[in-house]
Amino acid sequence: DADVTQTPRNRITKTGKRIMLECSQTKGHDRMYWYRQDPGLGLRLIYYSFDVKDINKGEISDGYSVSRQAQAKFSLSLESAIPNQTALYFCATSDPWREGYEQFFGPGTRLTVL
Amino acid sequence: AQSVTQLGSHVSVSEGALVLLRCNYSSSVPPYLFWYVQYPNQGLQLLLKYTSAATLVKGINGFEAEFKKSETSFHLTKPSAHMSDAAEYFCAVSAVYSSASKIIFGSGTRLSIRP
Repeated sequence: DADVTQTPRNRITKTGKRIMLECSQTKGHDRMYWYRQDPGLGLRLIYYSFDVKDINKGEISDGYSVSRQAQAKFSLSLESAIPNQTALYFCATSDPWREGYEQFFGPGTRLTVL
Repeated sequence: AQSVTQLGSHVSVSEGALVLLRCNYSSSVPPYLFWYVQYPNQGLQLLLKYTSAATLVKGINGFEAEFKKSETSFHLTKPSAHMSDAAEYFCAVSAVYSSASKIIFGSGTRLSIRP
């Protein structure tokens, strides 16, 4: 079974709709991250969370919000989706006690906003 | 502040040829460095990481990378390309002693393998 799962894997929605992307992990890591991937831009950090009560904005948080419901669950919401939020979204986890802070990624959610 | 520059958004090599993907970093503190690989329709998978233990780092699938502080580089190599190596590769950097454990990613290099 995958350690980091994301649902849905694909989603098509319309401008103005509210969308929630969900991430669950069984790795027992405290730290979780949301990224978006756009061609030629690599991965950009949207939000990250150190634990349930500690949530931080990344470099591109405008238009997004997050919720850390439990250590294992971290959701990303688009309150009113717009076409330039069309992208591939990744959730990741890390263990701060693991040297190098490497991150472990989910399979991604491909979101299309029409 | 940290940043990563990957030279070449697309690299094409013949099967059996040397693979060289270039990465230069900028960091005001000692860095951790990573190479991740992304196969089509999949998430990112760690290929290898540098954590200051050794400058030549060996990873999975025959890849290796060498940390060169004087050149601020961390280039990825593989002696002989295989068709299954076709993927997108990301170089990334984080900071030793970083309280945030954030990773900064490069823009990626797509590797194509010619039969």
